[in-house]
Amino acid sequence: RKEVEQDPGPFNVPEGATVAFNCTYSNSASQSFFWYRQDCRKEPKLLMSVYSSGNEDGRFTAQLNRASQYISLLIRDSKLSDSATYLCVVTIHSGGYQKVTFGTGTKLQVIP
Amino acid sequence: GAVVSQHPSRVICKSGTSVKIECRSLDFQATTMFWYRQFPKQSLMLMATSNEGSKATYEQGVEKDKFLINHASLTLSTLTVTSAHPEDSSFYICSAVRDRGPYEQYFGPGTRLTVT
Repeated sequence: RKEVEQDPGPFNVPEGATVAFNCTYSNSASQSFFWYRQDCRKEPKLLMSVYSSGNEDGRFTAQLNRASQYISLLIRDSKLSDSATYLCVVTIHSGGYQKVTFGTGTKLQVIP
Repeated sequence: GAVVSQHPSRVICKSGTSVKIECRSLDFQATTMFWYRQFPKQSLMLMATSNEGSKATYEQGVEKDKFLINHASLTLSTLTVTSAHPEDSSFYICSAVRDRGPYEQYFGPGTRLTVT
């Protein structure tokens, strides 16, 4: 089983739709969780950190479920500019060092 | 957001030569930096974890003698691709992690290496 798993997609959704991505992780010692977006031929950019209490940033909502070891990202009112690959990232910190694991990414295509 | 720079952004070199890529965190200290490689239409692949003041930790299958990493300060890590071959052509991306929580990782803009 992979340490971090994501549905690769692609998710093809019409503009204005709501879309949700899930990501599961296997290491219960994982401490920090993030969603990144990566556009084609560009570096990943931090979209949002994910907290146990859930957090929202505009049209984006992230949730963490430690008991079930998954995180989710909800995008409301999808825009064409949301088309990208969304990467789930899980981090463990120990003794000043960090182990970072990426999911393989979920591709989103928003269509007019 | 925090800024991480990489230099050069593009490089073309001949087979057998060495190429050095620099990664700098411009506005925060980073004990840990990461080096990734990404081939077209594939996901990021972690090559190594670079820790300031100690030896880098390489992922399985990554040759440490071919990909030399030096993390000389809290704001600079370098990756040297030695004796480059065409199969080393790829998009190399570094990232830096803040020393303090929430330990967000910020990526450099990447270096596109082409070995002819």
